[in-house]
Amino acid sequence: DIVMTQSPDSLAVSLGERATINCKSSQSVLYSSNHKSYLAWYQQKAGQPPKLLIYWASARESGVPDRFSGSGSGTDFTLTISSLQAEDVAVYYCQQYHSTPYTFGQGTKLEIK
Amino acid sequence: QVQLVESGGGVVQPGRSLRLSCAASGFTFSTYGMHWVRQAPGKGLEWVAVISYDGSNKYYADSVKGRFTVSRDNSKNTLYLQMDSLRAEDTALYYCAKRTAALNVFDIWGQGTMVTVSS
Repeated sequence: DIVMTQSPDSLAVSLGERATINCKSSQSVLYSSNHKSYLAWYQQKAGQPPKLLIYWASARESGVPDRFSGSGSGTDFTLTISSLQAEDVAVYYCQQYHSTPYTFGQGTKLEIK
Repeated sequence: QVQLVESGGGVVQPGRSLRLSCAASGFTFSTYGMHWVRQAPGKGLEWVAVISYDGSNKYYADSVKGRFTVSRDNSKNTLYLQMDSLRAEDTALYYCAKRTAALNVFDIWGQGTMVTVSS
């Protein structure tokens, strides 16, 4: 199984500042045939189901604000929120869809400083 | 609008069975693979199972393999999860989730149904 490890477990950032969350996979989630990394990011607000933010490591889902961006390839990935808004308080998860079982990271809790 | 509504959760004793349902609306259910994902209280997300659009292919997490069975009825726009030999560690909020057209990422989620396994 591919193990996904996020860092940090929790993060406090001031409004308007940048937030950065990291995700590392135990093996590459890059397919050489299409040069794409099979990595997604989700946001889960309290009491709600998760919401898809990013897929292909860097492709933003329709309707997601452009302050959210994803980067990385292979085994190391980053979710960046360029200017934190109050509504971004949530737990963020990475997920690999390279192979079953489709594993998630343990989550990163993002709060306002 | 596109919607998934889970039902069937509840409190059940260890070793017993439960069947969850997920009613889909607002999209052509029969053309999309569907997943179950669970979340234990205060914990992270755990993928449980996937079924292809026509039900011909199914995959499971090792933690539920041999005990859970995913199925679907495209005539009823409904996804199911039959859970047998339930254990305390199966206690969780169970979400059904729609995959995108081409990827096993989850673009639509239900609100979840809670399963509690306790004597």
